[in-house]
Amino acid sequence: AQSVTQPDIHITVSEGASLELRCNYSYGATPYLFWYVQSPGQGLQLLLKYFSGDTLVQGIKGFEAEFKRSQSSFNLRKPSVHWSDAAEYFCAALPSGTYKYIFGTGTRLKVLA
Amino acid sequence: GAGVSQSPSNKVTEKGKDVELRCDPISGHTALYWYRQSLGQGLEFLIYFQGNSAPDKSGLPSDRFSAERTGGSVSTLTIQRTQQEDSAVYLCASSLYGGNQPQHFGDGTRLSIL
Repeated sequence: AQSVTQPDIHITVSEGASLELRCNYSYGATPYLFWYVQSPGQGLQLLLKYFSGDTLVQGIKGFEAEFKRSQSSFNLRKPSVHWSDAAEYFCAALPSGTYKYIFGTGTRLKVLA
Repeated sequence: GAGVSQSPSNKVTEKGKDVELRCDPISGHTALYWYRQSLGQGLEFLIYFQGNSAPDKSGLPSDRFSAERTGGSVSTLTIQRTQQEDSAVYLCASSLYGGNQPQHFGDGTRLSIL
């Protein structure tokens, strides 16, 4: 079955440290890939997306993600985390030619001062 | 409006009652999606509208759930005879024409069934 896996339920990092959130997808062909962030009590905000081409994509708020076909991964990174980055992060995939987004279960990020 | 608007933001109701959740998408967005987010879970796809049509209703959890969209704009998700397991945050999203267009989310309706 098609799926998106975020292996880390919770991650804690210190402010200023680097961050990597993992995402793996399970599809025959490369789907469209997205990262969203959700702050408490709010909806999801798009951070970045990958459709094709350059495998390193830049997003808002200083985030980037790298698509690796060989690993079926689309990991989210940030060089230096700010306290305001504390939130829940969702990876999502959209198989080409479909409309049904598949979301991972999310990774909750905690940032220590 | 500027973004996707959902109402009410919170709803508390007794088991067995019917509830209606409303979503007002971004103006001009033809695609509209409903999701359910339960505690500790990801987003569960419920239904997708393209215009007023819902090509696939298979994500709706049971026949107590229904949704409609009128005028290619506002959508209503109705849950009849609510059960405690219906407690969740219901999120609505819209996109310009569907497909791979990024989805814009509302802040959700937090539904609590007593």
